[in-house]
Parts: sequence; C-alpha cells; structure tokens
Amino acid sequence: DAGVIQSPRHEVTEMGQEVTLRCKPISGHNSLFWYRQTMMRGLELLIYFNNNVPIDDSGMPEDRFSAKMPNASFSTLKIQPSEPRDSAVYFCASSYPDEPYEQYFGPGTRLTVT
Amino acid sequence: QQQVKQSPQSLIVQKGGISIINCAYENTAFDYFPWYQQFPGKGPALLIAIRPDVSEKKEGRFTISFNKSAKQFSLHIMDSQPGDSATYFCAAFDNYGQNFVFGPGTRLSVLP
Repeated sequence: DAGVIQSPRHEVTEMGQEVTLRCKPISGHNSLFWYRQTMMRGLELLIYFNNNVPIDDSGMPEDRFSAKMPNASFSTLKIQPSEPRDSAVYFCASSYPDEPYEQYFGPGTRLTVT
Repeated sequence: QQQVKQSPQSLIVQKGGISIINCAYENTAFDYFPWYQQFPGKGPALLIAIRPDVSEKKEGRFTISFNKSAKQFSLHIMDSQPGDSATYFCAAFDNYGQNFVFGPGTRLSVLP
C-alpha cells in the first residue's frame, strides 16, 4: 500500500490567496483526519470525517478554513483567504473502520504564506 | 482538561542508555494512549499504544508504563540507538467523544 498521499508537499503563497491541500487516504480506511502542526501549538486536530461525513470540525480555526470529503478516496482542506499565521505543516491521517485510534499519517504539506 | 502534558521537552541520551518520556492527562474519558515517532520531514508514525486496563506493554525495546490512578503514562526506550533520534509524541484518544489530543512532543537525541 502506498500509504496516505498528500499534495502538494510544499506550498508557498501570498497572503489573501486561496490554498487547497489534498489527501488520498489508505484504501479501506473510512476515517480521515486533518491536523495542523506548528512549533507554538504542536499537533492540533482540525477536522475528522467518518464515512465521508464531517464528525467534528470544532478544531477548524476560522471560517476561512473548510474541508470536504466527496468520496472515500479523496479529501481537501481549503484556506480562503490565506494569512501568514496559517503557515504550518498540515497532515492528513486515516484509519480503519472502528479503529480511529490507529491513525496513519501522510507526509504532510508544508504551507508558507508570505 | 483536554490537554496532555509531556516532559521533558528535549532529551539527550548516550547510545545504549534508557530514554524515558513522561505524560499526564486529566480527562478520564480518554481510553487509548498511543505514542507516535516523527522524523524530520515525515509524518508521525504510530509506535506503540496502550489501553487503560493494562499497566504495561512492551514491544521490542519500547515499553509503555501506565498508571491509571495517577493519570500518567510513560515511554521507555531501552538500549537507545542513534536511529531512535526523533521527536516523540504521546497522545490521548477518546473515540466516544471524538477527542484526539497530542502532547507537545519530546525531541530525543541519542549520541553515538
């Protein structure tokens, strides 16, 4: 298995631009998680999907952030408009049905907003 | 109450030594306690995990000790190797409440 796939790996954009991060979970996994990692705040859960349905988005920092999961093999995290404080590494993770504890992380997308 | 505290922030150990990282939590609803290992430029990878009905779990050189009454758990790395140099995160999960909380991390350096 290729593992969780994220794209792009690196994204540099200017403040005010729209940013879209993409994730392909491991085949057969039905839970998907988006995390943000920064030096100041560590690893934070942003949103959690189960069977393509958002279960908990309380970690999404602002309305500028939105996430979708149109099918079992694809999810996006969108920031519009982006701000410099959104600079971080964004991870996607997935897990098997009924095993949300064993989360497999992707390699992350390093986002820099200038 | 949703936080997980982790110490030390950084740790330097000689090759062959024992590395010990400690974590503490408050929310008794947490029912799964994993440890993740992260190398630079990579995503965290599940290393070992324990449920609160078990006091200790060992996998190779890695051992988790769990103290339910004290709400503390720790990771012990025996015979530490330079390849173990990474950042380690403890975490606490509560699937019922869908809470997934990570500690701030410990940067481990094992000197050759």
